[in-house]
Amino acid sequence: AQSVTQLGSHVSVSEGALVLLRCNYSSSVPPYLFWYVQYPNQGLQLLLKYTSAATLVKGINGFEAEFKKSETSFHLTKPSAHMSDAAEYFCAVSLNSGSARQLTFGSGTQLTVLP
Amino acid sequence: SQTIHQWPATLVQPVGSPLSLECTVEGTSNPNLYWYRQAAGRGLQLLFYSVGIGQISSEVPQNLSASRPQDRQFILSSKKLLLSDSGFYLCAGKTQGAVRLGYTFGSGTRLTVV
Repeated sequence: AQSVTQLGSHVSVSEGALVLLRCNYSSSVPPYLFWYVQYPNQGLQLLLKYTSAATLVKGINGFEAEFKKSETSFHLTKPSAHMSDAAEYFCAVSLNSGSARQLTFGSGTQLTVLP
Repeated sequence: SQTIHQWPATLVQPVGSPLSLECTVEGTSNPNLYWYRQAAGRGLQLLFYSVGIGQISSEVPQNLSASRPQDRQFILSSKKLLLSDSGFYLCAGKTQGAVRLGYTFGSGTRLTVV
């Protein structure tokens, strides 16, 4: 069974600083990996995804993530934080299988951007 | 592309009252559909999922039930709400077989049971 661990339920950064949100996964087969963002009282929006092509994936709003198989990690980064990046971020793993119950989410990381 | 519609956006209900939340899908046929709940500080909890009309799988035994009367309609219900049912409810959909597309989420319903 697959699982996802997000280290740090709350992360604070200053505006303009590097954003690093950590995600480690466990999967017995090559996974697909996703990052979603959720703004207050809204649904989840797909930021980016890894689907076994390039290991460095670029997403919306200047975010990117690198798939590192040796470290079983898929950390999300952004070089310079903006106030509008304040939100909750979820990492998710999906197996390339026929199971309907495919996507497993991490517990989320709340990002606060300080002025 | 797939769009998930959810309503209402917010709902305040007394304990013991019934509940019906509706989710409809646009832009795809025969999707897999999911109901999630977010309680404060507890991440996303999968409640139910459905692979087709009348087919419901329950993940967590509880006071809630789900139904799928039509291909693009997914309903979350309760006969008698509990205080612990408060939370943010999200409907999500996925095109069957399209694993690499991930899920599309609705905008959610904030339920407060008083």
